[in-house]
Parts: sequence; C-alpha cells; structure tokens
Amino acid sequence: DVKVTQSSRYLVKRTGEKVFLECVQDMDHENMFWYRQDPGLGLRLIYFSYDVKMKEKGDIPEGYSVSREKKERFSLILESASTNQTSMYLCASSLIRDLNIQYFGAGTRLSVL
Amino acid sequence: GDSVTQMEGPVTLSEEAFLTINCTYTATGYPSLFWYVQYPGEGLQLLLKATKADDKGSNKGFEATYRKETTSFHLEKGSVQVSDSAVYFCALNSGAGSYQLTFGKGTKLSVIP
Repeated sequence: DVKVTQSSRYLVKRTGEKVFLECVQDMDHENMFWYRQDPGLGLRLIYFSYDVKMKEKGDIPEGYSVSREKKERFSLILESASTNQTSMYLCASSLIRDLNIQYFGAGTRLSVL
Repeated sequence: GDSVTQMEGPVTLSEEAFLTINCTYTATGYPSLFWYVQYPGEGLQLLLKATKADDKGSNKGFEATYRKETTSFHLEKGSVQVSDSAVYFCALNSGAGSYQLTFGKGTKLSVIP
C-alpha cells in the first residue's frame, strides 16, 4: 500500500527556533510537495521537488526552505519560526508521469508560540 | 491566474440524502479537474478526475462531469452515508507542463444518522 509518512503529527515550537518537518515516501516517486493548509484558505503549495537536490518554489515559499538529499525524503525547514507559520503542513508525492495523482501524508500540525 | 471556487461549508445532511458540492474554475488552456477527499485525521486522497470536456469521473458512488461551457465540476452522490463525512477539495491542473495543482478552499460535509 502507498505510504507517505510525516515524522510528527503535532509540534510545538517557540518563535525564532529552527524547525524541521520530515516526510518520507515508500513508493519511489520522483515528485514531492509541501503544502500548508489553513481554514478558509485551502491548500497552498510551498515547495515542489521533482528529483534529488532539485526544487521549485510554489505560491508561498517565503520563510521556508527545503532539502531533498535522497529520493524518498523531503524536508521542510523553517529557518526562524514565526507565529504566522502556525498551520497544518501536508506532504505529498507523485510519479513524474502523473503528478496530478498525489498521495498525501496525514499532516503535521505546527504551533509556534 | 488559475483559481477554483467551491461552495462554502459546512454542509450537514441526513443519511441517504442527495449531495451536491458546487465547484467552478478559472483557468487558461484545457485544465484537468479533480476531487480530493480528506477523512478525519488523514491526508487527502484522490476521489475522482476528468481530463477533458464532457468526461465524467466516478468513484465510490460519487460523480462529477467536466462542463467546459459553465466551467464547472460539481460533485454529486445519490445517497450519502455517515462514512462520507469528510472535507472535499476541488482542484485543477492547467496542463501545458504545469506541475501545480490549484485547490479550492474545501467543503466540510457532515452526514448524520
């Protein structure tokens, strides 16, 4: 069965901390995505990666960076967390030939205090 | 730019009622259209899709028809069950090499026995 695993379901961090959100997929997918999900705003794409060490900015990359050192793992980094980054973060993956069929993890709910 | 507009929720229905969730879109080119569903505590998963005008996507009793003339992709089900309680997202990919899915804000459906 297809699986996208996000390392934490809930995280609480302090303003100014460096935060790492980890995502691992076991489907050998080329594409991986990070979204944030906020009430009334739906899903917004933060970053996309189509290969190891490759990345593209999405709609809201400010305040975030990403790392993809291995095909199965895609990390989202908040260099200096701020309260407006409190949100639900969703990771997804897809095959390169069918990027519209995305498989999502269960999400990490991050609270920045 | 591309956009997806869904009916505001939440929607509360009794079991066996008829469901319609409206979705309209704005896009350049010839987009592909999708419905994703997010069950409580889980990540999003693809429910159905349609890739060209007049296509009908269907899955698990849900249907949606790609109407180019009205730029719509409304989700319907003839008889909802309690297990259909979830958040439903309409999405599009505008094609032409785009890697990005554009999501609507989501519609929360609650089905009561």
